[in-house]
Amino acid sequence: SQQGEEDPQALSIQEGENATMNCSYKTSINNLQWYRQNSGRGLVHLILIRSNEREKHSGRLRVTLDTSKKSSSLLITASRAADTASYFCATDLPSGGYNKLIFGAGTRLAVHP
Amino acid sequence: NAGVTQTPKFRVLKTGQSMTLLCAQDMNHEYMYWYRQDPGMGLRLIHYSVGEGTTAKGEVPDGYNVSRLKKQNFLLGLESAAPSQTSVYFCASADGYEQYFGPGTRLTVT
Repeated sequence: SQQGEEDPQALSIQEGENATMNCSYKTSINNLQWYRQNSGRGLVHLILIRSNEREKHSGRLRVTLDTSKKSSSLLITASRAADTASYFCATDLPSGGYNKLIFGAGTRLAVHP
Repeated sequence: NAGVTQTPKFRVLKTGQSMTLLCAQDMNHEYMYWYRQDPGMGLRLIHYSVGEGTTAKGEVPDGYNVSRLKKQNFLLGLESAAPSQTSVYFCASADGYEQYFGPGTRLTVT
């Protein structure tokens, strides 16, 4: 069973608009990470937020984490056509010593020029 | 640095054939992972390794075997391929929380 589930499954916006993707999970976590996957490529790490953090920024990315609701959101501001990709959240469980990630099914983002 | 590389990039197998996928990393990472990605689903962990000579089962290990004889290499074997193993396979490595992924191997079993 999947730990993380993204919402929406697909999102289509115009360049310059903001894109928000949400992730819900089921059990306690050490941290939550967001990855991007361009078509036909491997995943690339975007940002990590620890369980004791509520918000984190990296360039045009803003991630929030609400551990009481077991949810996270990824906001991409001023989107560009190059942001077109699938975005995955991944939760790192308290599993004792190694980084075992559980991935959600992803949100497909299309940014139109 | 090449990062994480995977060979081959594509492969077509007949049911019952065997093959080995090779993953190599040049970042001296301790942890390595094999995932499979199927349409509409996220990545699922097949096997992983926390260091040279160690391996452990992930979420979907059945039908696969792995070996980590050298720190930089992690091999995924299919002894008797089945159509259900048609998928895209990704290898990743890590020395902390962030995982670094290879470009993937697209495997089709007919």
